[in-house]
Order: sequence, then C-alpha cells, then structure tokens
Amino acid sequence: EAGVAQSPRYKIIEKRQSVAFWCNPISGHATLYWYQQILGQGPKLLIQFQNNGVVDDSQLPKDRFSAERLKGVDSTLKIQPAKLEDSAVYLCASSWGQGNTEAFFGQGTRLTVV
Amino acid sequence: AQSVSQHNHHVILSEAASLELGCNYSYGGTVNLFWYVQYPGQHLQLLLKYFSGDPLVKGIKGFEAEFIKSKFSFNLRKPSVQWSDTAEYFCAVGPNAGKSTFGDGTTLTVKP
Repeated sequence: EAGVAQSPRYKIIEKRQSVAFWCNPISGHATLYWYQQILGQGPKLLIQFQNNGVVDDSQLPKDRFSAERLKGVDSTLKIQPAKLEDSAVYLCASSWGQGNTEAFFGQGTRLTVV
Repeated sequence: AQSVSQHNHHVILSEAASLELGCNYSYGGTVNLFWYVQYPGQHLQLLLKYFSGDPLVKGIKGFEAEFIKSKFSFNLRKPSVQWSDTAEYFCAVGPNAGKSTFGDGTTLTVKP
C-alpha cells in the first residue's frame, strides 16, 4: 500500500515569512497526526485529527500555527509568521483509528528558518 | 505529565555484539509502549509495541523489548546486531501508537 505522502521535502524561508506543509495519509486512515521534530529531539505531537475534526491541539502554538483537514483526507499545516526556533522536521502520521493501532509516518518536511 | 528518557544518546557496536537500549517512562494512564526505528534517509517505522499481556514482546528483525512495570522501563534488546541495524531508535509511550510522547532517541552505529 502507498505510504503517507508529504510535501515539500525541504523548505528554506526567512523569519517572519509564512510556510505550508501538505500531507496525504494512507487511504482509509481516519486519524491523522502532525509532529514537530527539532534536531536532536524526539517527535512532539502538535495536533491530532479524527476525520475532519480536531481531537487534540493542546500542544499547537496557535498564535502562529494552524492546521486543517477539511475533507477528512489530506491535511495542511501552516506557520505564519515563522520564527528561527520553528526550524525542524514536520512529520505527518496516520492510523486507522484512535485505538491501539499502528501509526504510519511520512518522511517529513525539513524546514529551515533563516 | 508524561515523559520518556532514553539514557544512551549514541551507541557504537561491532557486528554480532549484543544490544540493549534503555528506556524509562513516566506516565499516569494506561501504559502503551512503543519502539520506533528510523533508518538513514527513511521514515519512522514501528519496531514493536506493548499494550498488555506478556511483558516480553518480540518485534521485527529479531528485536525484543521487556516491560518491567516496577522499574518503569521498556528496554530494547537484540542478541546479535548487524551493520544494517545502524539507525536511530525512539522509545515512546502513550494511549495509542499515534498519540505518543517520544524520547529523544538513541543513534546506533554498527561497525562491520
């Protein structure tokens, strides 16, 4: 089966600019996650969707980060305006449901803010 | 608050050596534990998971992990590593595989 697709793979922007990342989960997966992985650290959950609804966005910096999954399939994560500390790999993952099911990760988008 | 601690940041082994990577966690709810692996240039993939039952769980590629509740530990083991096991390994805890708190990872380098 096709995996989780993310684009772009790499992005370099200047601070205060905006940026958007796209994720297409595995077909049929109802649950979608966005993670931020700063260099040298483990992934940190930003937001979880169940279909087109937000389940948990408690760790999303809402003053600058936003995410949507309007049709319950693909999702976008936006940062506006970006700060230097937003430099990280942004990972998308999906699973069949919220229960004890395996999550599948995409390859991520590496963002560098200069 | 939940947290995961991986004590070894970088481990270097020769082929055929035995491996044990430490993982300790702090979590207030029902414990589900995971080990993920990320090979160079590839995405994170699940190595093994513990939800309940036998505390010794076996995963792919000969890896296993033991859940010791009294020690809040979930250490990863492999009796004989191969060069192809060179990767970064992440321990995670959470209510499910997607909504997890990750450790900071251990980079394993296996010398041929």
